[in-house]
Amino acid sequence: DAKTTQPPSMDCAEGRAANLPCNHSTISGNEYVYWYRQIHSQGPQYIIHGLKNNETNEMASLIITEDRKSSTLILPHATLRDTAVYYCIVSRETGANNLFFGTGTRLTVIP
Amino acid sequence: EAQVTQNPRYLITVTGKKLTVTCSQNMNHEYMSWYRQDPGLGLRQIYYSMNVEVTDKGDVPEGYKVSRKEKRNFPLILESPSPNQTSLYFCASSLRSRGLAYEQYFGPGTRLTVT
Repeated sequence: DAKTTQPPSMDCAEGRAANLPCNHSTISGNEYVYWYRQIHSQGPQYIIHGLKNNETNEMASLIITEDRKSSTLILPHATLRDTAVYYCIVSRETGANNLFFGTGTRLTVIP
Repeated sequence: EAQVTQNPRYLITVTGKKLTVTCSQNMNHEYMSWYRQDPGLGLRQIYYSMNVEVTDKGDVPEGYKVSRKEKRNFPLILESPSPNQTSLYFCASSLRSRGLAYEQYFGPGTRLTVT
């Protein structure tokens, strides 16, 4: 599975959009991009995933570049409860039961 | 409520004393996994199960056993715990969704300390 690169930390003002980047330059054609987050030491929480097209759900939007080498998770109106570690993961469908969680990006939402 | 439950949530034990951490899901998921999380190392998969009676090693299986006798339960067994197994453990179950990609649902975690 392709590895990902994320900034170790980011800050975002409450109410503003949080844009979390992820680089996955070695991604292959059958690999999906997943985003999870972990609040404090709770179990990771699934946010969104995509293959080629941009995706949106009630939590976030996922923008994948045309060459699929990078993506951005967007939290449209960040709240204090969005403070967490965000993980960008790339995995094949058949390997998606074993997701490699790296060290992620620690997002701090500031009042 | 759809959920993954783990018990116990906290456990302090001594080296060599066998223990079992239970995991149960009520979503009828086929896939279940165990992960451990250690500072600076992220989450690493210990074992996973594709279905009843089907289990396989993950990335760090040494010192652990699992069983999958029922679809909803996936216990993690430490036959002879050692201090290097002190960690935060998560159980997860997977839903097959659109595009055949899997969304994992995680339990609340079990913090294990082996002295």
